[in-house]
Amino acid sequence: DAGVIQSPRHEVTEMGQEVTLRCKPISGHDYLFWYRQTMMRGLELLIYFNNNVPIDDSGMPEDRFSAKMPNASFSTLKIQPSEPRDSAVYFCASSLGPSNQPQHFGDGTRLSIL
Amino acid sequence: GDSVTQMEGPVTLSEEAFLTINCTYTATGYPSLFWYVQYPGEGLQLLLKATKADDKGSNKGFEATYRKETTSFHLEKGSVQVSDSAVYFCALTSGGSEKLVFGKGTKLTVNP
Repeated sequence: DAGVIQSPRHEVTEMGQEVTLRCKPISGHDYLFWYRQTMMRGLELLIYFNNNVPIDDSGMPEDRFSAKMPNASFSTLKIQPSEPRDSAVYFCASSLGPSNQPQHFGDGTRLSIL
Repeated sequence: GDSVTQMEGPVTLSEEAFLTINCTYTATGYPSLFWYVQYPGEGLQLLLKATKADDKGSNKGFEATYRKETTSFHLEKGSVQVSDSAVYFCALTSGGSEKLVFGKGTKLTVNP
């Protein structure tokens, strides 16, 4: 079975540029999560969706970040404009729900903002 | 709010040594508990889980028992291998929320 697929795997761009990260969840999973991982802050939940609807975006750091899920098989996380402090590994995960079901993670996008 | 505390790393062991990584939690509801593992350059993978008190999760020789009285979910393995070198995360969900609350992770290095 295909797991969660993220693209690109690596992104290097200059400060001020728009960055778009993409995620394809596991087919049939109702929940989709975006995380950010850094050495300083560990794993942070940014936002999650249920049936394509954003449920909790309290972890989104500021208005420069936005996430969409136009259909059950695709989600994007956008940063505009990007800043060096956004450099991190961004993970997408999906799950069947309910809350005792595990989340399945993609391999992440390593983002470097110069 | 809900939180997870796990032992600080890094942990360095020799092959075939016994492993324990401590994890304690605070939760307002009745949590489900998880251990995830992250190998270098990869995303997190579920290692094991337990959803009610006294349940034992197990996988690949790893075990953890849900202890409600001590609010703990310690990870153990009797004989580690070099291939177990990774970062291990304790996590919980609680109160019907889908949000995973993670510990800070413990890096394990196993030397031959």
